[in-house]
Amino acid sequence: EVQLVQSGAEVKKAGESLKISCKGPGYSFYTYWIAWVRQMPGKGLEWMGIIYPGDSDTRYSPSFQGQVTISADKSISTAYLQWSGLKASDTAIYYCATVVTRQDVPQYFQHWGQGTLVTVSS
Amino acid sequence: QSVLTQPPSASGTPGQRVIMSCSGSRSNIGSNTVNWYQQLPGTAPKLLIHSNNQRPLGVPDRFTGSKSGTSASLAISGLQSEDEADYYCAAWDDSLNAYVFGGGAKVTVL
Repeated sequence: EVQLVQSGAEVKKAGESLKISCKGPGYSFYTYWIAWVRQMPGKGLEWMGIIYPGDSDTRYSPSFQGQVTISADKSISTAYLQWSGLKASDTAIYYCATVVTRQDVPQYFQHWGQGTLVTVSS
Repeated sequence: QSVLTQPPSASGTPGQRVIMSCSGSRSNIGSNTVNWYQQLPGTAPKLLIHSNNQRPLGVPDRFTGSKSGTSASLAISGLQSEDEADYYCAAWDDSLNAYVFGGGAKVTVL
């Protein structure tokens, strides 16, 4: 089973920048697309975007385009989600997951990380 | 407002069969496969059903997915207390160019 390990909880102030991480198994990480999913407090799941660590090909949900940056470093089997100016409304749990695709279109999210809680105070 | 519509809750007694629905449109469920995720309280989501009706290894056969037209459903047979969770349907949407989720259905075992 593929294990994704995410970085720990963060407490930030509005306007600050943040980069959270998602580390996968070294031997095959760059063969998976990785997705990021947001879950705001007491709310449902929202797809943010996907990245292929092999060549850093990245696709964003229209709802999150320009709001966050997704990146990856295949040499250390790690994907990242980054903000340059956090808002209180970014308070949420963020999950990474491996993605099964068909013709580069996400089909389903197979293995999930444990989640990273980001709390932003105003 | 979620693109895929799920009733917010469902319930049953142990051993009962519970069915929850997921309604979409031609651009999502009508054109692409449906997946279901289970989120137990305080944990990360877990893939429960993919490709309309396929169970990943380890998922009990009490869970059954189906799809017809622009709707899908998830059935839980022989409901158990450990099935208390939130269940989300999801699919790719060709018009939005996005992977969309339902709002989630909370299953309660009475």
